[in-house]
Amino acid sequence: AQSVTQPDIHITVSEGASLELRCNYSYGATPYLFWYVQSPGQGLQLLLKYFSGDTLVQGIKGFEAEFKRSQSSFNLRKPSVHWSDAAEYFCAVAGTDSWGKLQFGAGTQVVVTP
Amino acid sequence: DAEITQSPRHKITETGRQVTLACHQTWNHNNMFWYRQDLGHGLRLIHYSYGVQDTNKGEVSDGYSVSRSNTEDLPLTLESAASSQTSVYFCASRRTVNTEAFFGQGTRLTVV
Repeated sequence: AQSVTQPDIHITVSEGASLELRCNYSYGATPYLFWYVQSPGQGLQLLLKYFSGDTLVQGIKGFEAEFKRSQSSFNLRKPSVHWSDAAEYFCAVAGTDSWGKLQFGAGTQVVVTP
Repeated sequence: DAEITQSPRHKITETGRQVTLACHQTWNHNNMFWYRQDLGHGLRLIHYSYGVQDTNKGEVSDGYSVSRSNTEDLPLTLESAASSQTSVYFCASRRTVNTEAFFGQGTRLTVV
């Protein structure tokens, strides 16, 4: 069965510092991988996605993620965070078969301090 | 512009009542999903559908049902609401398995 693990429930980072959010998945093959962001009281917005090809993918708002097959990981990074990056971040996977369910991790809450 | 809308945005209901949450998308997407979001659990899949007349159970489907009579709508029904079903519910749709899923704004349901 596929699963997604986000080991960090909560991360506090200073404005201007770098940010890395971890995501590990379990799946029989390489799934489709996504990072979503949720601002308070809002729905989810797609930051970036990986389907195949270059393992370093660029997304919106200055975020990037790197797919590492050997580690079954898809970590999200941002070189310099802004106060507006405070939100909850979700990693998600979808199976690559035609019935691929979209499954989410538990989320990482990011707090940005001045 | 195409969109996905959920209604109502907030609802309070009593234990034992039947409740239906609406989800309507105008992208003509085949795939639609219902999730519930609870603190510490992220989004958990309740039901999903890959097309008209197709419905499938997700990981937390007990006490919920869906029907898909057309492409645009996937209503979620709580047969007999329980306090454990107090949550925020999100509907999502996507065109195919390898495309972005778009989410509604959510419905906050309180069962008292």
